[in-house]
Amino acid sequence: KAGVTQTPRYLIKTRGQQVTLSCSPISGHRSVSWYQQTPGQGLQFLFEYFSETQRNKGNFPGRFSGRQFSNSRSEMNVSTLELGDSALYLCASSDGWNTEAFFGQGTRLTVV
Amino acid sequence: SQQGEEDPQALSIQEGENATMNCSYKTSINNLQWYRQNSGRGLVHLILIRSNEREKHSGRLRVTLDTSKKSSSLLITASRAADTASYFCATDAGAQKLVFGQGTRLTINP
Repeated sequence: KAGVTQTPRYLIKTRGQQVTLSCSPISGHRSVSWYQQTPGQGLQFLFEYFSETQRNKGNFPGRFSGRQFSNSRSEMNVSTLELGDSALYLCASSDGWNTEAFFGQGTRLTVV
Repeated sequence: SQQGEEDPQALSIQEGENATMNCSYKTSINNLQWYRQNSGRGLVHLILIRSNEREKHSGRLRVTLDTSKKSSSLLITASRAADTASYFCATDAGAQKLVFGQGTRLTINP
């Protein structure tokens, strides 16, 4: 099975712009979650989707949003980018409750 | 907020030695997972241990879980240079999310 695929791997954006990141989960996995990793805050949960429904959301401003499609692929969007949004964004997929969560290689976002 | 706290924050050992990392958490959990991360890349899943399990092995890895103390440990035996990485514990307490510790930076010296 192919692993979790995130695109693009690297992005450079200007403050005020918006960005969309994509995540394709492992085939058959219906749960997709997103995390932000920064040196100061570590790994923080953004949101989780299951069968196109957001089931949980972390403590991030409304500029961070996401969605999941019927094929379980997920996108996250960040609008009105700020310098502090520079981070590694990681996506994970899992196939059910109390099972392993497998991560992609991440998207490195730099806001200038 | 971080539920897990990892100890030590950094560990440097000689190749061939064993490395032990510890993780403590605050709430009841369904499972605890350990991950490895090389140089800011993606997280590689190492092992999952469920709340009703006390010990699991995978190759050179041994994980223990003590739910009464809310703690876990990861032992890497016969370390290799390729084991140099950051190691994170993550707890699943339901709510469809993982809560991560700050990680342990492991350096294996040749």
